[in-house]
Amino acid sequence: DSGVTQTPKHLITATGQRVTLRCSPRSGDLSVYWYQQSLDQGLQFLIQYYNGEERAKGNILERFSAQQFPDLHSELNLSSLELGDSALYFCASSDRRGGNTIYFGEGSWLTVV
Amino acid sequence: AQSVTQLDSQVPVFEEAPVELRCNYSSSVSVYLFWYVQYPNQGLQLLLKYLSGSTLVKGINGFEAEFNKSQTSFHLRKPSVHISDTAEYFCAAYRGGSQGNLIFGKGTKLSVKP
Repeated sequence: DSGVTQTPKHLITATGQRVTLRCSPRSGDLSVYWYQQSLDQGLQFLIQYYNGEERAKGNILERFSAQQFPDLHSELNLSSLELGDSALYFCASSDRRGGNTIYFGEGSWLTVV
Repeated sequence: AQSVTQLDSQVPVFEEAPVELRCNYSSSVSVYLFWYVQYPNQGLQLLLKYLSGSTLVKGINGFEAEFNKSQTSFHLRKPSVHISDTAEYFCAAYRGGSQGNLIFGKGTKLSVKP
């Protein structure tokens, strides 16, 4: 158990819909990262927050957004969903801005039908 | 651009045999290197990491990796594998600066056969 908690574990939704994935980082960790894992793209970095502020941005679509709240939990919002958004979404956390060990949650499986 | 290359997409091996999973990285600056393991239908678990110091790093489950700066490699090894080691292994490098995040290789599926 890494200490990073993600909900829901599985989610099935229809195209065009919007979903929210939630992440609670390890106790004391200030950085939260979101990654997408798909068969064709592998593990892709989406976005990082540090202590409530966006720090780094990767290959995140405009239809996707994220935020980190004062209690340090984070949410990833996916809207206007397409079939190609079906993937495993990971949240990860670390205790620094970066360059240290990053621990991953179990992931949220999203299936868009 | 920094990238991580895992040279083998699949590695089949018999139980109790040694295994090496290869990883090369490209970077002109210091890097932090990691190996993660993903068991079927599970999340990513940290296996080991190299941040600095000794180039031979020991991790969990009997795995170890050696950082080789001249060859820009960080190969993962285990002297004797078990059926339970069957999983996908990911090499990753941390890219610092304003785009700080982990860059992953495409993964190596280790299949241990009895």
